[in-house]
Amino acid sequence: GDSVTQMEGPVTLSEEAFLTINCTYTATGYPSLFWYVQYPGEGLQLLLKATKADDKGSNKGFEATYRKETTSFHLEKGSVQVSDSAVYFCALRGPGNFNKFYFGSGTKLNVKP
Amino acid sequence: DTGVSQDPRHKITKRGQNVTFRCDPISEHNRLYWYRQTLGQGPEFLTYFQNEAQLEKSRLLSDRFSAERPKGSFSTLEIQRTEQGDSAMYLCASCSYHRGLATSSTDTQYFGPGTRLTVL
Repeated sequence: GDSVTQMEGPVTLSEEAFLTINCTYTATGYPSLFWYVQYPGEGLQLLLKATKADDKGSNKGFEATYRKETTSFHLEKGSVQVSDSAVYFCALRGPGNFNKFYFGSGTKLNVKP
Repeated sequence: DTGVSQDPRHKITKRGQNVTFRCDPISEHNRLYWYRQTLGQGPEFLTYFQNEAQLEKSRLLSDRFSAERPKGSFSTLEIQRTEQGDSAMYLCASCSYHRGLATSSTDTQYFGPGTRLTVL
């Protein structure tokens, strides 16, 4: 079945460091891929998405490229800030009309000043 | 703010009691989803509605769980005879789906803040 695997955390970085959070997926067909972010005490917020191979989603300095050949959607940011500290979830939406999402287990990011 | 809202935000109950949660989706969204999120895990799909019809239920949804969306707007999730294993965050999400439209315009789910359930 469809599934998402993302790197375990926590990831601890100093401010202005480069961030990569790995995400790989298993799916039949051609899913849409998402990154959601969850700040402490809040619900999930959409960070970025890509709907077809080679698409790059970007938002707030974060980027991820849909790589069909490696079934990956790694999240990157060139210079993290303390305010980026949160839990990041990779997710896929299966093809078809059910619109059901499959989430990874989340990666906690701690950014230190 | 016209985002997804959930009520209550926190619920503490004793084992064996029944609880009911409410979700109000974004008003123009016709699809509504329930997820469960346990500590350190991502959300797991429970069930979803298109308008008032419940179209799919996960095998995670035991017969103690029931969900309704009577008028195609808000939804309720009821858990009967709660067990300690039911302790989790229950998330609601909504989206707009229209068959035949480009998926990029309809496949983003918007999440509510969740209801945290603690069963003692």
